[in-house]
Amino acid sequence: QITLKESGPTLVKPTQTLTLTCTFSGFSLSTSGVGVGWIRQPPGKALEWLALIYWDDDKRYSPSLKSRLTITKDTSKNQVVLTMTNMDPVDTATYYCAHVRSNVLDFDYWGQGTLVTVSS
Amino acid sequence: QSALTQPASVSGSPGQSITISCTGTSSDVGSYNLVSWYQQHPGKAPKLMIYEVSKRPSGVSNRFSGSKSGNTASLTISGLQAEDEADYYCCSYAGRWVFGGGTKLTVL
Repeated sequence: QITLKESGPTLVKPTQTLTLTCTFSGFSLSTSGVGVGWIRQPPGKALEWLALIYWDDDKRYSPSLKSRLTITKDTSKNQVVLTMTNMDPVDTATYYCAHVRSNVLDFDYWGQGTLVTVSS
Repeated sequence: QSALTQPASVSGSPGQSITISCTGTSSDVGSYNLVSWYQQHPGKAPKLMIYEVSKRPSGVSNRFSGSKSGNTASLTISGLQAEDEADYYCCSYAGRWVFGGGTKLTVL
C-alpha cells in the first residue's frame, strides 16, 4: 500500500525559504520507473505542478518557478524534500506530494497535503 | 506554459450524463496521449480517475470514461450520483505537467 505524507512549517515569513518533506511508504525511489512530484493549490484555486524527481535522480521543474525550487531525495529515509526560496504571500497554498509512474506520467497516489501560509 | 482550459462549472441531475472538456494546444494535449483526470472533494486530496486519456485505475467506477480529439480531452460521467459532486481537474504531460483550471460539478 502506497502512502505519502507532507510535513513542514505551516507559517513562513515573506522572503524566507520553505522546506517541505514528503515521507512515503509502499515503494522505493530506487526502483526503476518511479518518481515523486510536488503540486500546490492556493485556497479556492487550481492545482499547479511544481517539481518532480525520478528514481535515477533526474529532476524536472516548473519553468515559471525553476529559479526558486530545489528537489532532492533521500532513498534510505524514503523522503523527498522540496525547497522554495524567497516566499511571497501568493505562495500561500496547500502543498501536495504524489507518486508518479514514469511510464504513464500520472499522479496515482497523493499525500493529504499541508497548508503553508506566507505572512509577516 | 498556460493552464489547460476547462469550463468553470457543469451540472446534471442524478442518472444523467455529463461531459467536461479540457482544451490545450498541439504542444500538450494534442501531442501526447498522457492526459489524466483527478477528482477532488472539498478539503481532500485529488484522486486519479483517468490516465492515458481513457484508462481507469483499479477501483474507479466504469461510469467514468475519457477521450481525446485533437487538442481537447473530455471526461464523461454517466449515471450521475450525488457522490460525484466534486471538482475535476485535467492534466497533460508536455515535457512537464500542466493542469486545467478545474471544473466544479454540481449534482442537482
